[in-house]
Amino acid sequence: GENVEQHPSTLSVQEGDSAVIKCTYSDSASNYFPWYKQELGKGPQLIIDIRSNVGEKKDQRIAVTLNKTAKHFSLHITETQPEDSAVYFCAASPGGNNRLAFGKGNQVVVIP
Amino acid sequence: GAGVSQSPSNKVTEKGKDVELRCDPISGHTALYWYRQSLGQGLEFLIYFQGNSAPDKSGLPSDRFSAERTGGSVSTLTIQRTQQEDSAVYLCASSHGNSYEQYFGPGTRLTVT
Repeated sequence: GENVEQHPSTLSVQEGDSAVIKCTYSDSASNYFPWYKQELGKGPQLIIDIRSNVGEKKDQRIAVTLNKTAKHFSLHITETQPEDSAVYFCAASPGGNNRLAFGKGNQVVVIP
Repeated sequence: GAGVSQSPSNKVTEKGKDVELRCDPISGHTALYWYRQSLGQGLEFLIYFQGNSAPDKSGLPSDRFSAERTGGSVSTLTIQRTQQEDSAVYLCASSHGNSYEQYFGPGTRLTVT
């Protein structure tokens, strides 16, 4: 089955700096790659996603890039703010169906 | 509009007891998913319902786990004869039609003592 890995597991950044989280996936048939933000005690919140026919997508301070050849995709957060502190999960839809395979999450800490 | 809701938010049960967890998807969403999140881990797929089609049960870890969805809306996840390793947060998500975007509820934290 699909295997999704995230790096690094924990990331600390100074407020205002950029944060980048990278995920790799194993199934070349995967065609949908969402990113979720999870705050303590809450469910995951969809923040951005990308389809396999697109290389980059941006929404205000967040962007996602996809490299299908290398089978990796990355989340970029610019001008980080304390409220960006959370656990971020990447996922891939394996085999083109709607199930999601998740990475283990990255703890992002924005230092004021 | 209202998001996905789950109840209870927390459940503590004794080993060997049965538990039922409830999920109310977003109105109009035909697809419903259950995932399990163990401490410090990612989300593990359990089961997927799409409309009136037979559910995809391939993620259920054992025959102690079952789920049903009545009337194409509310779903109940049942765990029989609970074990300590069942302790986790159980998350429900829904999506519209065949859309890929899944929207999650707040989860039910299950603790088996």
